[in-house]
Amino acid sequence: GAVVSQHPSWVICKSGTSVKIECRSLDFQATTMFWYRQFPKQSLMLMATSNEGSKATYEQGVEKDKFLINHASLTLSTLTVTSAHPEDSSFYICSASRGIGTGASNQPQHFGDGTRLSIL
Amino acid sequence: DAKTTQPPSMDCAEGRAANLPCNHSTISGNEYVYWYRQIHSQGPQYIIHGLKNNETNEMASLIITEDRKSSTLILPHATLRDTAVYYCIVPMDSNYQLIWGAGTKLIIKP
Repeated sequence: GAVVSQHPSWVICKSGTSVKIECRSLDFQATTMFWYRQFPKQSLMLMATSNEGSKATYEQGVEKDKFLINHASLTLSTLTVTSAHPEDSSFYICSASRGIGTGASNQPQHFGDGTRLSIL
Repeated sequence: DAKTTQPPSMDCAEGRAANLPCNHSTISGNEYVYWYRQIHSQGPQYIIHGLKNNETNEMASLIITEDRKSSTLILPHATLRDTAVYYCIVPMDSNYQLIWGAGTKLIIKP
């Protein structure tokens, strides 16, 4: 159980294009979803946290108008990189958790396989 | 967040038990210890977590000291596919965010 599917796994596109990445929890309801970015040889950096039906909370330094997050249902969250440029090229990873509120720390995050985004 | 300290790298022979240590001396009473791993070019994988009691699942065992200031992840029979970076993380109870350090790069050798 606890499978998270992320799509697409690899994207190559031209500068200025907007790219949408989907994250689905296949066999559980994900109250909270997280989006991370990872540059080569570095650790994951949290970009934003989203709870179903509410606006995402972005980490400091992450532009909310650049990285649009929608968490419309308990099984789907999307990240749209708008007007992507070469510096947005990275490995984007989502995770999903059943937890919210008190006691949520007892719920692990389950991760997708990531999306490798290359902007030319 | 309770900060964690892990050795940067470890080697282990295939078939032997891999014991990965983690120090979390500032952990508070209601904070859990989580272990994840990331195999190269893949998303992280949840392994196990615990609060104060030792835990075991199909992947690993987690041994937490009585004072909760350190823990050890045990992979009982390491295989080549266990080569990965292993992360010990203590998320805050208030927001359960995971803060990723450098982890331990575990290399399983044949």
